[in-house]
Amino acid sequence: SAVISQKPSRDICQRGTSLTIQCQVDSQVTMMFWYRQQPGQSLTLIATANQGSEATYESGFVIDKFPISRPNLTFSTLTVSNMSPEDSSIYLCSVDRAGGEETQYFGPGTRLLVL
Amino acid sequence: GESVGLHLPTLSVQEGDNSIINCAYSNSASDYFIWYKQESGKGPQFIIDIRSNMDKRQGQRVTVLLNKTVKHLSLQIAATQPGDSAVYFCAESMEYGNKLVFGAGTILRVKS
Repeated sequence: SAVISQKPSRDICQRGTSLTIQCQVDSQVTMMFWYRQQPGQSLTLIATANQGSEATYESGFVIDKFPISRPNLTFSTLTVSNMSPEDSSIYLCSVDRAGGEETQYFGPGTRLLVL
Repeated sequence: GESVGLHLPTLSVQEGDNSIINCAYSNSASDYFIWYKQESGKGPQFIIDIRSNMDKRQGQRVTVLLNKTVKHLSLQIAATQPGDSAVYFCAESMEYGNKLVFGAGTILRVKS
């Protein structure tokens, strides 16, 4: 499996501000994904972070609200823009095809509280 | 850490008993399935996976069963231990290694 780290691990933010979350993997991976987990709920895919091209967003998620970067095969960022209390969630990155294995592994998550 | 399973169904089992966690998946075209375990304050941890050309797969103390006829997936944990207490999610994918759709999740509580 891959070792995945996320920064920050948690944050408390004011509404109207933006937060950028970083995801770092210890090996090159083909696919990186960003998920949201709202309080008491399951995981929902936000987008697929594509290296060298624009991210692919799922229905209900837009680039203006959740801009994503993927500058190389080991790193990605997700920005939560113009935050409101409804954005309070855990944000998780995942990777697959890490180390030759073909399943998805998750980072520890970033716990965001918007006041 | 906070609980991520406040609104999820709960399964309570006695330590040492076997646990069975069920999941109904949504897409008959899905061909890859994964079970994850999520402990409080952590990201989901891979437990076991299965492809649609199989109906059973065993790991260490865990077994996954797949019934494609009724679109049902189950996770069996043998000799459940306190460390197994967590939220368990099933996930499905239409393509091996592609984006995942997660089920609602089940809280497993192990009583000592």
